[in-house]
Amino acid sequence: AQSVSQHNHHVILSEAASLELGCNYSYGGTVNLFWYVQYPGQHLQLLLKYFSGDPLVKGIKGFEAEFIKSKFSFNLRKPSVQWSDTAEYFCAVTSFNDYKLSFGAGTTVTVRA
Amino acid sequence: GAGVSQSPSNKVTEKGKDVELRCDPISGHTALYWYRQSLGQGLEFLIYFQGNSAPDKSGLPSDRFSAERTGGSVSTLTIQRTQQEDSAVYLCASSSRAGSIKDEQFFGPGTRLTVL
Repeated sequence: AQSVSQHNHHVILSEAASLELGCNYSYGGTVNLFWYVQYPGQHLQLLLKYFSGDPLVKGIKGFEAEFIKSKFSFNLRKPSVQWSDTAEYFCAVTSFNDYKLSFGAGTTVTVRA
Repeated sequence: GAGVSQSPSNKVTEKGKDVELRCDPISGHTALYWYRQSLGQGLEFLIYFQGNSAPDKSGLPSDRFSAERTGGSVSTLTIQRTQQEDSAVYLCASSSRAGSIKDEQFFGPGTRLTVL
C-alpha cells in the first residue's frame, strides 16, 4: 500500500508570496497523483492531477505541480497567492489503475491579506 | 446538477449506539466511495461500490462497519456499537464510471461523527 507524506502541517504567508507544498509518496510502481483542496465550508475538490506525460501539470486557479519520479515527489506550487487561497490542501496517490485514493494528512494554508 | 449530498451533517451519539450515515451520489454515477478522516490524519479509504455491489470492502476497520447501496444510487454506512475511536468525518464520493481512476471523484460535504 502507498503512503503519502505532506511535510508541512500549517503554512502561513502573505498575499503575493510564493507557495510550495511538499508531497512525497512511497510506492515503487506507476502512480497517479492528485492534489485536492478544501476551502472553508466547502467540499473537497480536485485541484489538479497527473497520470502520464508532461511531469509539470497545471491546474485551476494558477496552481501547478511537478512530478519528480526519482524523488517520489509531487510538489504543489503557486507563484503568487491570494487571500482566497486560504484552504486545506491534500496530496493523494493511487497505484496504476487503482481507484483507491491514499491521502496525505493535509496542509492548512493561511494567507494573510 | 446537484453534487454529492450527505446526511446528517453532524451526528453526536453515545458509545455503544448504532448510527447510519447516508450518501446521495451525483445522479448517474455508477461508482461510489466512502472515506474517513480522523483528526490529524488524511482520508482513508473504507469501501467502494460498483452499482449495488461492493467488490472492495478492504478498508472497513472492523465488522461493526457495514455499507449497502440500493438502486445504484443512495448508500448507507452503518456503524454498530460505536466506539470513541469511530469519531471522524465520513466522506462519500462518486464518479461516473465504476473502478476507473481516470474519472474524477466528486466529494460530498461529509458527516462529522462524534462518539461520546
